[in-house]
Amino acid sequence: DQQVKQNSPSLSVQEGRISILNCDYTNSMFDYFLWYKKYPAEGPTFLISISSIKDKNEDGRFTVFLNKSAKHLSLHIVPSQPGDSAVYFCAATAYSGAGSYQLTFGKGTKLSVIP
Amino acid sequence: DGGITQSPKYLFRKEGQNVTLSCEQNLNHDAMYWYRQDPGQGLRLIYYSQIVNDFQKGDIAEGYSVSREKKESFPLTVTSAQKNPTAFYLCASSIGPKGYGYTFGSGTRLTVV
Repeated sequence: DQQVKQNSPSLSVQEGRISILNCDYTNSMFDYFLWYKKYPAEGPTFLISISSIKDKNEDGRFTVFLNKSAKHLSLHIVPSQPGDSAVYFCAATAYSGAGSYQLTFGKGTKLSVIP
Repeated sequence: DGGITQSPKYLFRKEGQNVTLSCEQNLNHDAMYWYRQDPGQGLRLIYYSQIVNDFQKGDIAEGYSVSREKKESFPLTVTSAQKNPTAFYLCASSIGPKGYGYTFGSGTRLTVV
């Protein structure tokens, strides 16, 4: 059962416009959410995160919105740039027992920003 | 510079052979993780370790083994029992039991021929 879902495998956006990447989750115990950016043949790099006690977090061109009642979060990139073209993973964390927490990842959305 | 080093970047092995992927970190992180990435599958957790000499199975541990004899090192062995070993393997670490704030290595692409 997939607990973190990214239903759009790919997204194409014109340079300068807004990119909106969506993520849904099913586990109500998730208390922290993150977005990672990944280029081919490289490890993911942390982009932005949000705690479950907030509904918005902004960092430069990147904003993450959290709607707990809908179990939905989204990443907005404004304005989109060609260098933003990558795969974006949504991830969530919850207590997994024995004093440990784990990140659960979605399958990713490939963003292509067209010049 | 602190970070995670995975080696080698590309690895080729014959079917039926065991192979060990290296992961070393100098971030002084307690927790380390191994993930596997397949096309369209996202990142799936193989094994994780919160402290030295202790590790737990993730979602797809069958056919894999790990050790954590040192805080800095978390090698992954892909055994001949793993039915589909060809994949991109990622190692990560985090500062403590709270799993957010992972730092990832650059990955190892394993191809079994």
